[in-house]
Amino acid sequence: AQSVTQLDSHVSVSEGTPVLLRCNYSSSYSPSLFWYVQHPNKGLQLLLKYTSAATLVKGINGFEAEFKKSETSFHLTKPSAHMSDAAEYFCVVRGFFGNEKLTFGTGTRLTIIP
Amino acid sequence: GAGVSQSPSNKVTEKGKDVELRCDPISGHTALYWYRQRLGQGLEFLIYFQGNSAPDKSGLPSDRFSAERTGESVSTLTIQRTQQEDSAVYLCASSLPGGVEETQYFGPGTRLLVL
Repeated sequence: AQSVTQLDSHVSVSEGTPVLLRCNYSSSYSPSLFWYVQHPNKGLQLLLKYTSAATLVKGINGFEAEFKKSETSFHLTKPSAHMSDAAEYFCVVRGFFGNEKLTFGTGTRLTIIP
Repeated sequence: GAGVSQSPSNKVTEKGKDVELRCDPISGHTALYWYRQRLGQGLEFLIYFQGNSAPDKSGLPSDRFSAERTGESVSTLTIQRTQQEDSAVYLCASSLPGGVEETQYFGPGTRLLVL
């Protein structure tokens, strides 16, 4: 079985400052990990994914995440927040062959302060 | 090309009534998933279809929930005798059959409100 824990339900940062959204995972095998973003009244959009290639993954809109096996973490970062980054972010782990269902974290709401 | 589409976008129903939600996956995507998102919460897996294999129904919360898929195309999620706790956004996703390498693409969801 696999699971993810998002350590912060709500993060607020000022525009132009760095963003850090924390995620820890639990998996009995080498996991596939994702970050999805959900803007208000819009669908889920894939930000980035890790599937056992490079441990530092770059995504859209300047986001990136680093897979750290020793820490079982997959934190999402961005050097400089923009107002348009305000949204709900979900850390997600994927099941293995035969059942590739996604297990979502509870989400982190990111607020950007002007 | 076109993304995953879902209909209706919104549905209001009375407690006890049956509802049917529809999902049209991306053409060529043999894997299809249904998830539920309750207000302020993450997504819960409901059911998974992969080609002609038997679906994984392990996430369905009760026998009031069922889903069908016609070949590798449209899927319908049916909720019988709806309850107020069924109120949620129901999301459908599809992907290619490449296993863990494949990305799931989500539809816009159906927002269900049971009065």
